[in-house]
Amino acid sequence: EPEVTQTPSHQVTQMGQEVILHCVPISNHLYFYWYRQILGQKVEFLVSFYNNEISEKSEIFDDQFSVERPDGSNFTLKIRSTKLEDSAMYFCASTGGLTGAGLGTEAFFGQGTRLTVV
Amino acid sequence: DQQVKQNSPSLSVQEGRISILNCDYTNSMFDYFLWYKKYPAEGPTFLISISSIKDKNEDGRFTVFLNKSAKHLSLHIVPSQPGDSAVYFCAAQRGSGNTGKLIFGQGTTLQVKP
Repeated sequence: EPEVTQTPSHQVTQMGQEVILHCVPISNHLYFYWYRQILGQKVEFLVSFYNNEISEKSEIFDDQFSVERPDGSNFTLKIRSTKLEDSAMYFCASTGGLTGAGLGTEAFFGQGTRLTVV
Repeated sequence: DQQVKQNSPSLSVQEGRISILNCDYTNSMFDYFLWYKKYPAEGPTFLISISSIKDKNEDGRFTVFLNKSAKHLSLHIVPSQPGDSAVYFCAAQRGSGNTGKLIFGQGTTLQVKP
């Protein structure tokens, strides 16, 4: 079964450092997302990406964050100058695989990257 | 942002009985509602969805009911099995083709006792 793959599974970083979280979406999917879940809170939407550009972003996704699809298979989330409150599980998701009817599919999520900012 | 709410943080049921998980929403413009299941250290896994134009969708042991007038949906699992023990998230989405962002509820932890 196709799956979304995220690396690393756990990242520890010093406050103020930059981190890049990596994702390999399902190969024929067209829409890509990042979500995060701070411990004890709900899963929150960060950003969606389609056709090599951001299609929607939340208030959380400020200038500290950026996304990129550098090579047609990877989808990365960069967090510049990390803060303690960036500590969370970050989930990548993809959807929009082309079925025979050309319809999208439900979002498939990766297993997440736990980011700990110390 | 409290557009999707799951007011019960936890639910415990006996194996073989029915589990009913509830979800309320405030935005009448949502087009799809989805249920995801999440085990510890894993990402959310899609379970079942329903279009806003329907009131019921069934897939095996899982049935989702939508009451648009009450802005309420529920997930029924029958019979419940110990392997169903997980956190269940209700999510809502706008737009066609299931490509819009998902707005999640807080989740309900289901424990199914053998």
